[in-house]
Amino acid sequence: DTAVSQTPKYLVTQMGNDKSIKCEQNLGHDTMYWYKQDSKKFLKIMFSYNNKELIINETVPNRFSPKSPDKAHLNLHINSLELGDSAVYFCASSSGQGDYGYTFGSGTRLTVV
Amino acid sequence: AQSVTQPDIHITVSEGASLELRCNYSYGATPYLFWYVQSPGQGLQLLLKYFSGDTLVQGIKGFEAEFKRSQSSFNLRKPSVHWSDAAEYFCAVVPTSGTYKYIFGTGTRLKVLA
Repeated sequence: DTAVSQTPKYLVTQMGNDKSIKCEQNLGHDTMYWYKQDSKKFLKIMFSYNNKELIINETVPNRFSPKSPDKAHLNLHINSLELGDSAVYFCASSSGQGDYGYTFGSGTRLTVV
Repeated sequence: AQSVTQPDIHITVSEGASLELRCNYSYGATPYLFWYVQSPGQGLQLLLKYFSGDTLVQGIKGFEAEFKRSQSSFNLRKPSVHWSDAAEYFCAVVPTSGTYKYIFGTGTRLKVLA
């Protein structure tokens, strides 16, 4: 059973489009995250939700909007996609606020053309 | 500000050789410390973690790491590398106060020669 699953795995889209990435975890964790990994493999946190409440909101363009309908799901919607949004987006979950480690999804590779 | 440094961008070792990946952090107190591994096309997998106590911690896949407070380091080691260990390795720290926000290092890519 996949613990943290993201869909889609690959996403190719044109500039200006709006797209969503979905994430679901079946671990019973109460905290979920979105991370962005750039072409140099650098990982940066974007958002974190704890029991559907936003607890981390890094300096991210407001074209990015997370939504957590329940504690097992965290989606990421991106409006007006730009070339610089091309990256791998990882969803992760943890018990509490991550002091015991994260469980990561396998990532969504977003390519904006 | 907190930071994590992995000085080696690439490391190449022969299969069966020992391995040490370096990680240094900057933080006012002792943070929580982690090592993750990322295989190509995959997400990150937790190898091991350090909170307190014994400074030598054991992880999965035969890895271990040693915390050295005096050097602000948390180096990852493996006595005998297997070809399947080829991957990207990330060190991460989490401050022990406030929001537990991971700070990742820039990663070390390990190549294993047959």
